[in-house]
Amino acid sequence: SYELTQPPSVSVSPGQTAIITCSGDALPKQYAYWYQQKPGQAPVLVIYKDSERPSGIPERFSGSTSGTTVTLTISGVQAEDEADYYCQSPDSSGTFWVFGGGTKLTV
Amino acid sequence: QVQLVESGGGVVQPGRSLRLSCAASGFTFSRNAMHWVRQAPGKGLSWVAFISYRGDIQFYADSVKGRFTISRDSSKNTLYLDMSSLRPEDTAVYYCAREGTGEAFDSWGQGTLVTVST
Repeated sequence: SYELTQPPSVSVSPGQTAIITCSGDALPKQYAYWYQQKPGQAPVLVIYKDSERPSGIPERFSGSTSGTTVTLTISGVQAEDEADYYCQSPDSSGTFWVFGGGTKLTV
Repeated sequence: QVQLVESGGGVVQPGRSLRLSCAASGFTFSRNAMHWVRQAPGKGLSWVAFISYRGDIQFYADSVKGRFTISRDSSKNTLYLDMSSLRPEDTAVYYCAREGTGEAFDSWGQGTLVTVST
């Protein structure tokens, strides 16, 4: 079955840049999406279609793609960015959706 | 603003059934595809099911295929998930999510907890 692979954890100091990767074979053919989830809360969309930022999401959040890997970059990380981050994408047939295992960002 | 409110969760014995509901407001419900996503305690997000905006196409994760049914009633602005033959591994918070901008899951409910246990 199709899988998306993320590092389990990333740790940065405030003001630094956090980089979270997500790898999957179908990513060259399908868009990727990123969600932020804080404890006890529902996920929030932070990046869609690889690199687009929804309204209300700070500019320090950005996304990029290269081959089978997509990347979420958080520049100038703030304490409030501490959360779990999930990448998500449809499989190549577009008939089921997959989430990565999640990356815990510690600030 | 967009609001999704899930209900119907609770404690149920293995092998029994349960129906979850997701009441939508703040947008034209009949124009958006919808999904159910679940999260087992302490675990990551897992996609469960999809339904097209017209309700004529459904897709399911392999783990629930044949046991769960997603449906919608646009006259009531409500999404449903009928779950049968429940297993302990179905224990999770169940979220409904709207497929919106760029086919992203752009709005989520607060979730409803389903516990399958004797």
